[in-house]
Amino acid sequence: QLQLQESGPGLVKPAQTLSLTCTVSGASISKGGYYWSWIRQHPEKGLEWIGYIYYVRGSTQYNPSLKSRVTISVDTSKNQFSLKLISVTVADTAVYYCARESGSSSFDSWGQGTLVTVSS
Amino acid sequence: DIQLTQSPSSLSVSVGDRVTITCQASQDIDNYLNWYQQKPGKAPKLLIYDASSLETGVPSRFSGSGSGTHFTFTISSLQPEDIATYYCQQFDTLRTFGQGTKVEIK
Repeated sequence: QLQLQESGPGLVKPAQTLSLTCTVSGASISKGGYYWSWIRQHPEKGLEWIGYIYYVRGSTQYNPSLKSRVTISVDTSKNQFSLKLISVTVADTAVYYCARESGSSSFDSWGQGTLVTVSS
Repeated sequence: DIQLTQSPSSLSVSVGDRVTITCQASQDIDNYLNWYQQKPGKAPKLLIYDASSLETGVPSRFSGSGSGTHFTFTISSLQPEDIATYYCQQFDTLRTFGQGTKVEIK
C-alpha cells in the first residue's frame, strides 16, 4: 500500500530556506509512470500546486509564481523526494503536502501534510 | 496561466439533496479536469478524474461531466459524510486548482 510522509522543520525564519522531505513507501520513485509533486495550502485557503519531478526523465515543472525560488529533487537511495523554497516570507506559511500524480494526471495519493510557519 | 472558477463558494444543503458545483476554466482544457474532496484537517481525496471517470472505491452518488471550459460536479443525494470542501483541478497546462466549494449541512 502506497504511503507518503512529509518531514521537516515546522518553523522557518523569514529570508531562510524551507526544506521538506517526502518519504515514499509501497512504490519506487525511480520506476516510471508517476510524477511526484508538492502542493501547499495556506491557512483557511485553497490548494496551490508548487511543482513536480519526473525522475525517469529527470524533468521538473514548477508553478510560475514560485519558479524562481523552488527546487524539487529526488534521492532514490532513500526513496524520497524533497522541496526547497528559498527566501521565505510569512506568505509561505502553509500546510505542505507531497502527492503522487498518477498516469491519469490526477493526485491519487497524498501525504498527511505538514504545517510550516514562517516567523521570526 | 489557466484559471479555474468554482461556483458557488459555499452552499448549505439538507441530507438527501442533490448538490451541483460548477468549475469554469479560463481556456479550453478538453477533459483535463479532476475533482477532489477535502475534510477538515485531512489531505484531499481524489473523487473524479478526466472530468467524468469515478475513482475506484468512490460511491456512485458522485459524478462529473463537462469538457472544454465548463464542468459540473454532482452529488446525487447528499450524505452526512459528504460535508467537506470540493476542489476542481486542471492538468492541461501545468496544474491549477479552483478556489474550492464548501458544502455544509442546513
